[in-house]
Amino acid sequence: EVQLVESGGGLVQPGESLRLSCAASGFTFSSCVMTWVRQAPGKGLEWVASIDYTGTTSYYADSLKGRFTISRDNSKTTLYLQMSTLRAEDTAVYYCAKLNLGSGSVDYWGQGTLVTVSS
Amino acid sequence: QPVLTQSSSASASLGSSVKLTCTLSSGHSSYIIAWHQQQPGKAPRYLMELERSGTYNKGSGVPDRFSGSSSGADRYLTISNLQSEDEADYYCETWNTNTRVFGGGTKLTVL
Repeated sequence: EVQLVESGGGLVQPGESLRLSCAASGFTFSSCVMTWVRQAPGKGLEWVASIDYTGTTSYYADSLKGRFTISRDNSKTTLYLQMSTLRAEDTAVYYCAKLNLGSGSVDYWGQGTLVTVSS
Repeated sequence: QPVLTQSSSASASLGSSVKLTCTLSSGHSSYIIAWHQQQPGKAPRYLMELERSGTYNKGSGVPDRFSGSSSGADRYLTISNLQSEDEADYYCETWNTNTRVFGGGTKLTVL
């Protein structure tokens, strides 16, 4: 059974940093492209970043480039999202997701972790 | 980059059928999309991926009541024999090499 378990969310002040983790199991993590998607309160889904299976290549939403960094540790089957210079508008539930090996769609979601940026 | 357009809301009666639409922007009508369901207070759940041809592949455990179809730039999700648990937000998703896009979502109300 595929499992994606996010952690690391919480309340932070504007300008601070936070690192999210996603522990993966139930599939060959090192073969899968992974992604982060967020959802602000009462809003829709917004893609944040994706990383290839080796961790060599990553892509980001234009609005987030430079502040967020996606990475992975295949030996620990864990995905990360380092967030810096956080703003109130980064307040959201952050979901870790696995991409389908063949087509590239998201085919499994984690349960999400809430990040609140507020003074 | 592609843009996905969805109606903000839809409603249908218990036991009836409903067809939700996701429209790809101009120049992107050949893209594969995926449909996801998000029940209130829960994480999204993958339903299916859907090709331009109308061929779809459902995720594990997705009921037979859920099906997909396509026409040009439009991608459809049809839910038959609506159940109360189908009341949810439905999002479509598409992607290319370096980006991923979600539609704004359709809130489905089961009357």
